[in-house]
Amino acid sequence: DAKTTQPTSMDCAEGRAANLPCNHSTISGNEYVYWYRQIHSQGPQYIIHGLKNNETNEMASLIITEDRKSSTLILPHATLRDTAVYYCIVRIKAAGNKLTFGGGTRVLVKP
Amino acid sequence: DAGVTQSPTHLIKTRGQHVTLRCSPISGHKSVSWYQQVLGQGPQFIFQYYEKEERGRGNFPDRFSARQFPNYSSELNVNALLLGDSALYLCASRPGTINQPQHFGDGTRLSIL
Repeated sequence: DAKTTQPTSMDCAEGRAANLPCNHSTISGNEYVYWYRQIHSQGPQYIIHGLKNNETNEMASLIITEDRKSSTLILPHATLRDTAVYYCIVRIKAAGNKLTFGGGTRVLVKP
Repeated sequence: DAGVTQSPTHLIKTRGQHVTLRCSPISGHKSVSWYQQVLGQGPQFIFQYYEKEERGRGNFPDRFSARQFPNYSSELNVNALLLGDSALYLCASRPGTINQPQHFGDGTRLSIL
């Protein structure tokens, strides 16, 4: 699985959009970008994934650059409950269940 | 619908003992995976099972073993416990098709004294 680089931590204001960057410069053509988050004392929660097109669901939007070397997870209106560690993971979709988690970004939403 | 359930939620053991952790996947999910999360780090992949067969193994010693039952529930066994085995053990399940993401339980917190 390709290695990802994320900022260690970031703060954002409640009600504002939170933009979480992820670099994956060694991504290969058949690797997808997955985002999970982990709220304190809970298991990781799936957010969204994509290959090359931008994706949106009820939780977030995923913007992938044209060269696919980086992506941004957007939480459109951050709430205090969005405070969590966010993990960006790159993997081949058919690679079974193995997810390789890095250190993630610790996001603190402030009132 | 119930999510992935794990038991027990917390467990305290001493060095040298063995432990069995249990996982019930989401109804209809045939694939189960186990992860270890040491405090301050991301989860690390231990095992994947699908249709009762091991389909993947991470870089863990043979003291770690697992199995999946006909009802798709799973057990993770760890023998000869070490202090370094203290961690949150997470179970994840998915339907079995490669197009569906994994869903995690809230884990078992194992403390070794």
